[in-house]
Amino acid sequence: DGGITQSPKYLFRKEGQNVTLSCEQNLNHDAMYWYRQDPGQGLRLIYYSQIVNDFQKGDIAEGYSVSREKKESFPLTVTSAQKNPTAFYLCASSFIPGTAYTDTQYFGPGTRLTVL
Amino acid sequence: SQKIEQNSEALNIQEGKTATLTCNYTNYSPAYLQWYRQDPGRGPVFLLLIRENEKEKRKERLKVTFDTTLKQSLFHITASQPADSATYLCAVYNQGGKLIFGQGTELSVKP
Repeated sequence: DGGITQSPKYLFRKEGQNVTLSCEQNLNHDAMYWYRQDPGQGLRLIYYSQIVNDFQKGDIAEGYSVSREKKESFPLTVTSAQKNPTAFYLCASSFIPGTAYTDTQYFGPGTRLTVL
Repeated sequence: SQKIEQNSEALNIQEGKTATLTCNYTNYSPAYLQWYRQDPGRGPVFLLLIRENEKEKRKERLKVTFDTTLKQSLFHITASQPADSATYLCAVYNQGGKLIFGQGTELSVKP
């Protein structure tokens, strides 16, 4: 059963705590992405990675960190430095843009993070 | 920088009618444009991709057009059904290789 999974689906955090969101894919994709979605807004790119042990900042990387130790996994840590972390977080994966006939992104089900 | 603009107002239509959603982009014309569907509380799902040399693309009840002169793509759902109710996102790659999404248009199909 191929796909991309995220866990947990809902996450509650107290202010000042770091929290890590999980993202795993078995689609053999090299590229993985983290997006943040706020109500009524589009997806904003936080971080992306095209190869193991390498990743780049997106448009809103401040207060977030990532790692890419395995091709299949791309966890996102929301640190206490993120001023407004309550949001819906989406992980996606794809073939590296420009290397395949189609560069569509496959999304996970999302994690809704609420800071109390 | 490349920007994507979709109608932020929700579109409400009657079952059986054709829904038409608009996506406008600024700056350079992308090589292709993608449409995704997103249901509440879920991740977007890819629907269709149209390339710059394709004026129109169809998939079942879906039709997408791409007008590089107007810098616009139209997304049509014919014979709409309540199950088509969702938010529809368009997306293009910018020159830096990042996928840029519009904010989406919410479609509501009433029985």
